[in-house]
Amino acid sequence: TQLLEQSPQFLSIQEGENLTVYCNSSSVFSSLQWYRQEPGEGPVLLVTVVTGGEVKKLKRLTFQFGDARKDSSLHITAAQPGDTGLYLCAGGMGAQKLVFGQGTRLTINP
Amino acid sequence: IAGITQAPTSQILAAGRRMTLRCTQDMRHNAMYWYRQDLGLGLRLIHYSNTAGTTGKGEVPDGYSVSRANTDDFPLTLASAVPSQTSVYFCASSDSWANEQFFGPGTRLTVL
Repeated sequence: TQLLEQSPQFLSIQEGENLTVYCNSSSVFSSLQWYRQEPGEGPVLLVTVVTGGEVKKLKRLTFQFGDARKDSSLHITAAQPGDTGLYLCAGGMGAQKLVFGQGTRLTINP
Repeated sequence: IAGITQAPTSQILAAGRRMTLRCTQDMRHNAMYWYRQDLGLGLRLIHYSNTAGTTGKGEVPDGYSVSRANTDDFPLTLASAVPSQTSVYFCASSDSWANEQFFGPGTRLTVL
């Protein structure tokens, strides 16, 4: 059983479209992070949210932490081929540990 | 600044052989982690270390051991490799209260 459920697991859309990726859990997290991973490389941190209801924007990417700190979403506006990659959410647990979702593989077609 | 380096980049190993994956960081981070990444399962924590001299078990520790003799190095050892240990292994480090982690480039391990 996955502690953090990401949906969808796969998403293929056309350039210019908008999309939202969800990360859900029944557990409360101290922080929620989003990472992006390119093929053959390690994940790279995009953003950390720590306060319930917090919204952060990174250019065309908008990240939101749920009010109860159990879920998060990543919204991409006007997707571009360069946004293609594996997106991972990760929840902060005690003892400096993270638990990762299974990832969303995003493909943006030109 | 290299960040985190891992070696080897990839390895093919016969079942039953012993293998050590190396991880070195130059950021002086206190915490270090080993994950394995398998398709559809995301990243799963194998072992971690909050500071030099201490280690802890993660979600999937069986068949793996680690040591943390100093701040910079965190090797992962497979005492007797089995095919189910075929995976991509990532080392990571962190030094923030929010546990933002920096990852190495990974080691692709195939056990035959």
